[in-house]
Amino acid sequence: AQKVTQAQTEISVVEKEDVTLDCVYETRDTTYYLFWYKQPPSGELVFLIRRNSFDEQNEISGRYSWNFQKSTSSFNFTITASQVVDSAVYFCALSEALGSFGNEKLTFGTGTRLTIIP
Amino acid sequence: DTEVTQTPKHLVMGMTNKKSLKCEQHMGHRAMYWYKQKAKKPPELMFVYSYEKLSINESVPSRFSPECPNSSLLNLHLHALQPEDSALYLCASSQGGRKSYEQYFGPGTRLTVT
Repeated sequence: AQKVTQAQTEISVVEKEDVTLDCVYETRDTTYYLFWYKQPPSGELVFLIRRNSFDEQNEISGRYSWNFQKSTSSFNFTITASQVVDSAVYFCALSEALGSFGNEKLTFGTGTRLTIIP
Repeated sequence: DTEVTQTPKHLVMGMTNKKSLKCEQHMGHRAMYWYKQKAKKPPELMFVYSYEKLSINESVPSRFSPECPNSSLLNLHLHALQPEDSALYLCASSQGGRKSYEQYFGPGTRLTVT
């Protein structure tokens, strides 16, 4: 069975500080996909990134960066120069293909609540 | 446009009521999902529709009945719910197919069962 662990339940940092959210996963699949989603207080989950298991290249998108390390089964997310708008719950997720076309199940971690203090 | 819309935003219903949640996407996605999310918990998958056919039912009680009238619409019919069914119900869609594409979520319907 697949598993995603986000050990940090809550993190608070002062605005403009950098913060890293940890994600560790377990899977027996050789091909898998990892995701990060942001859930602001409004409730909608916002897709941030998708990464497949064959692409270990780190990615940067503005103030966001992701570090994928297959050797340690980790997919960590760093926010640089944090802003108040970054306050949200962040979920790491692992996809599992079930059966045929389009049958995808996301296994979510328990989420990390990030609070940016102005 | 990566928008998934859901109506209503809020719903309060008694245990004997029948109501429906609606979800719509116009991204041409062929997979649609219903999730249930309790407070301070991650979303839990309920149903998956793939090419308008129900492909996954995660052992959801029969008081929840999904329907996919066409490739853009997804409904969740509710009947005889229990107070513990109160939660945020999220709809999502994805491209579908053999690759695992990202899912785009709607804003959710916050359901309260009294």
